[in-house]
Parts: sequence; C-alpha cells; structure tokens
Amino acid sequence: GNSVTQMEGPVTLSEEAFLTINCTYTATGYPSLFWYVQYPGEGLQLLLKATKADDKGSNKGFEATYRKETTSFHLEKGSVQVSDSAVYFCALTSSGGSYIPTFGRGTSLIVHP
Amino acid sequence: GAVVSQHPSWVICKSGTSVKIECRSLDFQATTMFWYRQFPKQSLMLMATSNEGSKATYEQGVEKDKFLINHASLTLSTLTVTSAHPEDSSFYICSASPGTSGSLPYNEQFFGPGTRLTVL
Repeated sequence: GNSVTQMEGPVTLSEEAFLTINCTYTATGYPSLFWYVQYPGEGLQLLLKATKADDKGSNKGFEATYRKETTSFHLEKGSVQVSDSAVYFCALTSSGGSYIPTFGRGTSLIVHP
Repeated sequence: GAVVSQHPSWVICKSGTSVKIECRSLDFQATTMFWYRQFPKQSLMLMATSNEGSKATYEQGVEKDKFLINHASLTLSTLTVTSAHPEDSSFYICSASPGTSGSLPYNEQFFGPGTRLTVL
C-alpha cells in the first residue's frame, strides 16, 4: 500500500534560517504529491503540489521537487519567518482510484524571533 | 475558488447529546466528501467517504451508528455524532473532491477549516 514518511519534529529554527523538512513515499504508479500546512486551531491548507516526476511545486517561498528516483518530496524554504510556525503534512494521492490522500504524520515547525 | 466551509467551528455539548457538523463546498460541486478526525499533535485519520445520494463508506474501526454521515446534495455533507461522550472530543475536518467534472484538479481534495468538538 501507499505510505508517506516525514521527519519527526518539532523542528525549531531562528527567523531567517533555512528550512528543510524531509518526506519520502512509497506508492505504485505515478502518484501526485502534496504539502499541506495547518496553522494552530485551523484546518489544512494546500501549500504546494507536484503531479509528475521532476516537477517543482512552489508557493509563499516554499518549494519541493518531485524526485522519483529517490521517492522524495522534501520541503524547503530559504528564510523562514515566525509566521511560518505551523504543522506541515506531506501527502500523496495515487494515480487512478479514489484520490484519497495518504498523509504523513506531520512535522511541527517552530520559528523563534 | 474551491472553498469548503464547516459549521460550527467549535461546539461544546453535554455527554449523551447529539451534535451535527455541516460541511459545504461553496463554489464547486463535490462528488465525494471525506470526514477526518484529528487527535492532538497527530495526523488526520480518515473516518468515512461519502458520495452524494449513497451510503457512506466507513473505515475499519469507525462505528457507523455512532458517526452518521449524510451527503444530501453535491454541496453538503453532514456528520452527526450521536450520544456523544468525552472520548468523542476531537477536531473533525471535512474535505471535498470535485471529481472529473468542472475545471478543478480532479485528484485534489479541498479541506474545511475544522470543527472542534468538546464533550463534557
């Protein structure tokens, strides 16, 4: 079956530091890959996505590249802000089927001023 | 586009009462809606999948008589927690999928803001 593995958190950084949150996946076929962000007390918001190998998703300074050879979709940001503090979920949907996402466990990011 | 709302955003109720949570797709038709439960500091747990006009499909371990789901139209699904108990306290999130009709990505789900349920 499908699975998503994220690095365990919390990740604690100072403002303007470089961020990497690792995500690897197991899936058959050609899944679509997503990063969602959840701010405290809120639902999930789509941050970025990539639907085929070598695609780069980007939004709000975050980016992630779909690497089929390493089955990875690591999230990066060059300079984090306090407002980026949230929980980040990596997810995939299989090609074909019901498009129900398989989520990673989530990685909490805490950014200090 | 692709906005999903939930109502209420939070609710506190007494043990033994029933609580209804609404999930609406505001600007698209959702052929399928999903209900998730999220425990503190954990990932989302899929509870059930509902298609408009048909019975919901529940995940293993989810009591269908406890969590009643009605997908009455292409823009509305409701989750009713019957005879709620403190262990039902949680954050409930719905999502909606537009399917293959329309212009939205068919393989993407759009999430509501969640409903915090506290049972006293």
